Amino acid sequence: GQQLNQSPQSMFIQEGEDVSMNCTSSSIFNTWLWYKQDPGEGPVLLIALYKAGELTSNGRLTAQFGITRKDSFLNISASIPSDVGIYFCAGQGGSNYKLTFGKGTLLTVNP
Amino acid sequence: DADVTQTPRNRITKTGKRIMLECSQTKGHDRMYWYRQDPGLGLRLIYYSFDVKDINKGEISDGYSVSRQAQAKFSLSLESAIPNQTALYFCATSDATTNYGYTFGSGTRLTVV
Repeated sequence: GQQLNQSPQSMFIQEGEDVSMNCTSSSIFNTWLWYKQDPGEGPVLLIALYKAGELTSNGRLTAQFGITRKDSFLNISASIPSDVGIYFCAGQGGSNYKLTFGKGTLLTVNP
Repeated sequence: DADVTQTPRNRITKTGKRIMLECSQTKGHDRMYWYRQDPGLGLRLIYYSFDVKDINKGEISDGYSVSRQAQAKFSLSLESAIPNQTALYFCATSDATTNYGYTFGSGTRLTVV
């Protein structure tokens, strides 16, 4: 089946630093999505990307859909303590719109 | 009220007991999913249902069963719970005709002792 490789697995950064994480796949996806999971809660959609090459921002978050349609990255600028959580990438391919998830990046922000 | 509601939020049960986790949604979505989350392993799909009469196994269905009682309700059962089923369980929903991703519930933390 389809698999996503998400990296890094975890990050420890200082407040104010920028963060970058990415996902790669051996398969092509039609849509890339990025979710954030706060401690004790379910994942919440942050950004959705629908076209190869698309660059989309949501506040301090920026994500890109790779030209090859096999990768995506998420950047967080000027991190703050509430950015702490697990970030998941997800790819959507085929006609059934089923998602394939990466294993997540655990982000810790030191004040 | 939440769009996707899971009950209970926390549960401790004994080995061998039968337990049911429930999920209900007000999104009007056709599709519902059950995932399990373990540290470092991400979200693993247990079962999914594309409509009321459709049930499909995911990647880790052994030891679990599901019931889609209505469009809005999808329950997950552990017939005889075992300790390695201790995990965080999430229900999710999606629309059949769009690619807007999934909406997740807040999760059920299950501990089997």
